[in-house]
Amino acid sequence: EVQLVQSGGEVKKPGESLRISCQGSGYTFITYWIAWVRQRPGKGLDYMGIIYPGDSDARYSPSFEGQVTISADKSISTAYLHLGRLEASDSAIYYCARRHDHGDYTFSFDVWGQGTTVNVSP
Amino acid sequence: SSELTQDPAVSVALGQTVSITCRGDTLLSYYASWYQQKPGQAPVLVIYGKNRRPSGIPDRFSGSTSGDTASLTIAGAQAEDEADYYCNSRESTNNFLEVFGGGTRLTVL
Repeated sequence: EVQLVQSGGEVKKPGESLRISCQGSGYTFITYWIAWVRQRPGKGLDYMGIIYPGDSDARYSPSFEGQVTISADKSISTAYLHLGRLEASDSAIYYCARRHDHGDYTFSFDVWGQGTTVNVSP
Repeated sequence: SSELTQDPAVSVALGQTVSITCRGDTLLSYYASWYQQKPGQAPVLVIYGKNRRPSGIPDRFSGSTSGDTASLTIAGAQAEDEADYYCNSRESTNNFLEVFGGGTRLTVL
């Protein structure tokens, strides 16, 4: 079964940092881009950035550039999202998702992690 | 950067047909993908490309595109289709920038 399994929920204080993990299984991890998506409470999906685990090429949405770091360790089929100097506004569910290039101008996020809930509170 | 615009809310009577739309310039270059998200769950891909369904998605779900507008159609909506639906596409000038629509909450009456 193809799946992405994320690390568990976190409670943090403002100013702390956090790393969320996303481990893939059931497919060749290094050949698919992995994206990170934020969902604030009651809000929609925000694309944060993406990484190619094969060579750790990471690209960021302008809205998140400089605010987060995306990395990967292909030896353990895991991608990471690093959030530094957390603020209350970082409280959200963070999802990783596999991007599938189907060709013919068609792309999709076909596999999603279960989500990691982050609560930032004094 | 590109934006994708969705109506915030749509309702449909049980068993009737409903279409959810997504509009944006990037859809002139790339197809949209559609995701269903139920409360407390991760999004699930329901339609991608010209009109393709992942395994396990009922055939009452279909997709289409006309110009800069993509549509997700549910023919014979069921109670279990009540959810938030998001469209997604790639930014036309940046292969690594994806964009999501704001989401449409579908209510099945």
